[in-house]
Amino acid sequence: TQLLEQSPQFLSIQEGENLTVYCNSSSVFSSLQWYRQEPGEGPVLLVTVVTGGEVKKLKRLTFQFGDARKDSSLHITAAQPGDTGLYLCAGAPSGNQFYFGTGTSLTVIP
Amino acid sequence: GAVVSQHPSWVICKSGTSVKIECRSLDFQATTMFWYRQFPKQSLMLMATSNEGSKATYEQGVEKDKFLINHASLTLSTLTVTSAHPEDSSFYICSATDRAVYEQYFGPGTRLTVT
Repeated sequence: TQLLEQSPQFLSIQEGENLTVYCNSSSVFSSLQWYRQEPGEGPVLLVTVVTGGEVKKLKRLTFQFGDARKDSSLHITAAQPGDTGLYLCAGAPSGNQFYFGTGTSLTVIP
Repeated sequence: GAVVSQHPSWVICKSGTSVKIECRSLDFQATTMFWYRQFPKQSLMLMATSNEGSKATYEQGVEKDKFLINHASLTLSTLTVTSAHPEDSSFYICSATDRAVYEQYFGPGTRLTVT
């Protein structure tokens, strides 16, 4: 069951532009993760957030967990072609069993 | 960091045969392993959760008699696709966690094609 809806589903932008990906649910999560996946490979963990309202930064990436722990966002500043990939959020209602969002396919054009 | 391997990385089989996919944690003990499947350009769908030494817990809609999961040791879980059909063709990914951590470590995936 897909509990998490991501938007947009597809995104194609020019190098240097900023973008935001949203991950929304009606369920509350004890923790939420963001992953990036390249074709034919397993997803790679970018960040884990556990506290409502939490903001984490990873170089040009900023992650925010909603106050109610039902939603999250990923903001990328000055996107680069190397950022191209499938971005996935994943939420755990409890424990360490995560359910993945619908995914956002990002293409950054040089 | 923790490493999870999968074998084989890709497999082609004929309709009606069974295929076994292995998932190994190489440098840590995985008390829990998860199995996902992913169709092209789609997200990962959780199939089942397996804890070492106990029966796997399957997600709604996943046939436990078709997708047999065994987690006999703290470093190995196997997924057997029985009587495979073309609609079972997919990318199968496992992940593993150790005790009391939020992070799960993903394997590189196995591409199954059923002809």
